[in-house]
Parts: sequence; structure tokens; C-alpha cells
Amino acid sequence: SQQGEEDPQALSIQEGENATMNCSYKTSINNLQWYRQNSGRGLVHLILIRSNEREKHSGRLRVTLDTSKKSSSLLITASRAADTASYFCATVTMDTGRRALTFGSGTRLQVQP
Amino acid sequence: KAGVTQTPRYLIKTRGQQVTLSCSPISGHRSVSWYQQTPGQGLQFLFEYFSETQRNKGNFPGRFSGRQFSNSRSEMNVSTLELGDSALYLCASSPSAGNSYEQYFGPGTRLTVT
Repeated sequence: SQQGEEDPQALSIQEGENATMNCSYKTSINNLQWYRQNSGRGLVHLILIRSNEREKHSGRLRVTLDTSKKSSSLLITASRAADTASYFCATVTMDTGRRALTFGSGTRLQVQP
Repeated sequence: KAGVTQTPRYLIKTRGQQVTLSCSPISGHRSVSWYQQTPGQGLQFLFEYFSETQRNKGNFPGRFSGRQFSNSRSEMNVSTLELGDSALYLCASSPSAGNSYEQYFGPGTRLTVT
């Protein structure tokens, strides 16, 4: 079963605009990660934010985490056509020493040149 | 370092057959996880292996099995294939057994069951 729900399911913007994607999850987490997937290919790890962090930056990416609301957002600034991809949040939980990475349903981002 | 490699990249099988997929992790990574991706169910965790031991298993029937070798390479096997097993199977490796669980994915094997 999927832990996370992402919103919106699809997003279409113009090059240069900012793109914001949201992720909500259900259980307590150890950390939350964002991945990008180009059409039908493997996933690429973008950024990891730990449960005791509230915000993290990496290049044009900004991730926030609100554990009280069990939600996270990914902001891509000054988007480029090459950012066109599906974006997934994934939560890491630890249970009796076993870790699990559970993916959300993903947001399809289309950046128009 | 070379990335995660998966073989074969594409596979067509008939219902009832079995299939074995292979994954070579990034050098030095001892954890290998497998995922199934379908349009309907999204990305679902199959299992994780670390140092040749299965550490965790997702909610899949016993027809799905895996193993890991001493060189960390992993295989997954699906027996008695069903049409619903058609999917992109992704393998990912991770450098440690810790709780960061950052995954490095291979390109996937596209399995079509007819």
C-alpha cells in the first residue's frame, strides 16, 4: 500500500516558472525523500530531509517538512524543459530494525519551453 | 563508479512461465531492494536484501522471490507468471543498513506477460 498521496497528480507550467508539489503521509517517519523519474526509466534521488529538519535546499530545489501535518512540499525554482518528469515522495520508517521506503503516487510535471 | 545495472532491460513472457531478473548494485553497496511499478498500483516494495539476508518483504505472493549473492548481486524470480505481473521492475542499491535508506536505482526491466 502507498503511504503518500501527492498533489497535484499533474502539473503543467512554462519554462522559468516555479513548480510546487505536495506530499502527505500517514505514519511517523524517520525521513522523507524526493525522487525524479523520467518516462519509464529508473528513479533518481533528489533530496532527503530528516524528521527533525524543517527545510532543506539543494540547487534549485527546496523541500519543506511539517511533521505535525504529516506533509512535505518540493519547490523547483526557475523550471527548465529538462525538469519534465514524474516526481515521487518516499517516506522511510523503521520498525523493529526493519526499514521500509514507501513511495507516493507521484506528480507528473510538464515544463513547456 | 558504475551505476546500478539490470538485465535484461526488456522481456516478454507467456502466462504460466517463470522469469529471473538480475541486478548488480553500485560497487560497495551491500543493500539491494526491488520494486514493482505499474500504472495502477504505482511503486510497490518487493523486498530488501542486505549481506545475503532478506531484511524486509513487501505484500506480494510467494511467487515472487529473491536472493543475494556474496558479491551483493541480486536476482528476483517470479514463478507462474500472471498477466498482472506485467510491470517495470526496479532494483535499487543503498550504501548502508542505516535509516537514511537513500536509494540508487537501475534503469529497470520491463516485463510483459502475454
